[in-house]
Amino acid sequence: GAVVSQHPSWVICKSGTSVKIECRSLDFQATTMFWYRQFPKQSLMLMATSNEGSKATYEQGVEKDKFLINHASLTLSTLTVTSAHPEDSSFYICSAPGQGADTQYFGPGTRLTVL
Amino acid sequence: EDQVTQSPEALRLQEGESSSLNCSYTVSGLRGLFWYRQDPGKGPEFLFTLYSAGEEKEKERLKATLTKKESFLHITAPKPEDSATYLCAVTSHKAAGNKLTFGGGTRVLVKP
Repeated sequence: GAVVSQHPSWVICKSGTSVKIECRSLDFQATTMFWYRQFPKQSLMLMATSNEGSKATYEQGVEKDKFLINHASLTLSTLTVTSAHPEDSSFYICSAPGQGADTQYFGPGTRLTVL
Repeated sequence: EDQVTQSPEALRLQEGESSSLNCSYTVSGLRGLFWYRQDPGKGPEFLFTLYSAGEEKEKERLKATLTKKESFLHITAPKPEDSATYLCAVTSHKAAGNKLTFGGGTRVLVKP
């Protein structure tokens, strides 16, 4: 299957700072990528759809000014959590549709802890 | 609005004790139903895609089936390494791109 990577795998930051998370499709191009958030023992909640060459589409209730998404190329999307607070601590996961298929492939996730 | 409900929330099995997980869905025009396995602290790992009622797919001890209202993931003679959370998700023809709607997951623990 298609491979999606994320960097970093975990990050600890102070409250008020910004954190950038990268999502890369390693062996295929992705015009669309998705960003999810997952709290402990809960399922994945879609935050936004990242579109190459255009603005991201955010789900209802997700602050677009807080969670900045940039789809810089056909293999890279970034999520920047701005002015992070402890309640932003979570597991952030990205995904991308495999080439020629409906199936989405997920990255390994990034654990964000805001102190 | 697309909805996915998984049951049970948690399942404890003895090694070799077969069981089934349920995924009930409500969607306007099913495009695909997906099963994923997720281990703690990791991203979901793709297992199966099902597209139409009556379709079945198998992989080792896992078998997924699909009807017009639900999907089952059958685990035959499970081993401890099958312990994980199993996630079901759907995408519809009306959803933008390949947007997935996830169920809450079923946490499976297989004891030796």
